[in-house]
Amino acid sequence: NAGVTQTPKFRVLKTGQSMTLLCAQDMNHEYMYWYRQDPGMGLRLIHYSVGEGTTAKGEVPDGYNVSRLKKQNFLLGLESAAPSQTSVYFCANLSKTVWTSGREYEQYFGPGTRLTVT
Amino acid sequence: KQEVTQIPAALSVPEGENLVLNCSFTDSAIYNLQWFRQDPGKGLTSLLLIQSSQREQTSGRLNASLDKSSGRSTLYIAASQPGDSATYLCAVRGSGGSNYKLTFGKGTLLTVNP
Repeated sequence: NAGVTQTPKFRVLKTGQSMTLLCAQDMNHEYMYWYRQDPGMGLRLIHYSVGEGTTAKGEVPDGYNVSRLKKQNFLLGLESAAPSQTSVYFCANLSKTVWTSGREYEQYFGPGTRLTVT
Repeated sequence: KQEVTQIPAALSVPEGENLVLNCSFTDSAIYNLQWFRQDPGKGLTSLLLIQSSQREQTSGRLNASLDKSSGRSTLYIAASQPGDSATYLCAVRGSGGSNYKLTFGKGTLLTVNP
């Protein structure tokens, strides 16, 4: 989905360093999400946002912070990186299309950021 | 708590074979179900979306079915090709107050051999 972009694509951090991952959408969707994907664990929700200025915790929020100052951007921050945060991080948004029969919710993902913490 | 299971975890087939990937979920109160494809080192691409009121959706050689009452979905791939090799993920969206949330299975790694 060309509509969701992530920066950077790769990053290596030392333990204790901080960084921010940027997710941007070129659509006007309210909902945005941050997931992490680990071997054997599947995709797990870190934080999500239901609109500009709002954020909420997902399943695995500890060690991460997020901000949604603008509707188009959703930032994921690691204040003090730990090796356990080595993972692939995906951003996603949610399209809510309204049909005559109801609403259709379809989720789209960005290309991912591969983060290694040494 | 919703749990999604995909069987098998890995599948290897010769080119041209028709195949079925299975997905089961524990809570039938879902809004919809989405099948994704993930290529190595890439993001997730949405393949098919089935609303809870629908029984199946088709896109080209792909057909997904949904039996909400029994908590099952299948993804049928006809005439498989080496380019179909990827990990296929099933995800269900909760209903009501949980409709913001997508719960994923761990995926089926498909290899189609030439």
